[in-house]
Amino acid sequence: NAGVMQNPRHLVRRRGQEARLRCSPMKGHSHVYWYRQLPEEGLKFMVYLQKENIIDESGMPKERFSAEFPKEGPSILRIQQVVRGDSAAYFCASSDRAGNTIYFGEGSWLTVV
Amino acid sequence: GIQVEQSPPDLILQEGANSTLRCNFSDSVNNLQWFHQNPWGQLINLFYIPSGTKQNGRLSATTVATERYSLLYISSSQTTDSGVYFCAVPISGGSYIPTFGRGTSLIVHP
Repeated sequence: NAGVMQNPRHLVRRRGQEARLRCSPMKGHSHVYWYRQLPEEGLKFMVYLQKENIIDESGMPKERFSAEFPKEGPSILRIQQVVRGDSAAYFCASSDRAGNTIYFGEGSWLTVV
Repeated sequence: GIQVEQSPPDLILQEGANSTLRCNFSDSVNNLQWFHQNPWGQLINLFYIPSGTKQNGRLSATTVATERYSLLYISSSQTTDSGVYFCAVPISGGSYIPTFGRGTSLIVHP
């Protein structure tokens, strides 16, 4: 039973490019959460999605960031026109129901040069 | 939103020592989770414990929901216990989105 799968594990982008991070939840999970972790800091909530719906995006910057979780395929976190401040680890987690245990993927490390 | 405070922020132990990590939260919650982030960044769920006590090997956790705190006990610590321990509670009343404390950074020396 595969866990939460994230890719790419490491991504380098030049300023102004786009970054796409993918997350496949655990089998049977339909709830996905994205978090960002800056160096030496905790995890900051970004967005919570269920299949085809954004439930809460209150933690996501209004500009340049978007997320989706289509009916088929992984959840995608998209960052347009990246800036150096976007360099961070982005973690995805999933759960089978709201309020249940969440399980994390191994993270995607974005470096903007 | 609900505020989460963890203490101590840093902890250094010798192998074999015991420790207690604390998580205080500012409002009543319907769930609480403890996580360990190892030095390679991997986040592992340790406990889902909205109330009561649970044990898993050398680790145990207790949540006293009425007094708004949870404790994580590590007994006979090992070097592999090193890393950052986070507790997470719902971001606000009525929500199920976990929000994380700043963590306790633990270093266990051989």
